[in-house]
Amino acid sequence: GQNIDQPTEMTATEGAIVQINCTYQTSGFNGLFWYQQHAGEAPTFLSYNVLDGLEEKGRFSSFLSRSKGYSYLLLKELQMKDSASYLCAVREENYGGSQGNLIFGKGTKLSVKP
Amino acid sequence: EAGVVQSPRYKIIEKKQPVAFWCNPISGHNTLYWYLQNLGQGPELLIRYENEEAVDDSQLPKDRFSAERLKGVDSTLKIQPAELGDSAVYLCASSPGSGGYNEQFFGPGTRLTVL
Repeated sequence: GQNIDQPTEMTATEGAIVQINCTYQTSGFNGLFWYQQHAGEAPTFLSYNVLDGLEEKGRFSSFLSRSKGYSYLLLKELQMKDSASYLCAVREENYGGSQGNLIFGKGTKLSVKP
Repeated sequence: EAGVVQSPRYKIIEKKQPVAFWCNPISGHNTLYWYLQNLGQGPELLIRYENEEAVDDSQLPKDRFSAERLKGVDSTLKIQPAELGDSAVYLCASSPGSGGYNEQFFGPGTRLTVL
């Protein structure tokens, strides 16, 4: 079966660091994406991991461990505008009709407080 | 460069009525996706197109939903007849290809309310 788990909600303080975890069990694996979605808006791409390790992009970093089926998104120097939902999505393995499809988690709603 | 365009942004209809959503992907993007997103949930794939071919429609409720991408560019998603449970946001996304790193770019979505 396919299962992607993320915490439903998190709260953090402006200027702090927050880590959003994602665990997955999917039919094959061909990369993991993190998207940010502000309320009422479209998801926007944050990061992509396909190999184990840490990818850093400014204030945001994403980590992947394929053997553990685990990823996290790390947000540093939190700003009020970072209040949004963060979606973890796994790309299925390329085969048959499911080639390249993303399976999304339910998202983690992050609230940043002053 | 223009992003993914969707219309309408909002639609309110009564149950049993038909409804259609339109999507114009980013120029040059061969792959087009339609997703459904319920409140507090992640997007769920309905159908994926490679050019004009629907390569994965396994999650599309074909008794009432249909989609087309006739010239491999714009796409239309239709529901007929709509049911109360169809109230959701319908997202369109496009990407240059379907595998590997290819990032999906999402449109703003159409928020459907069925009364």
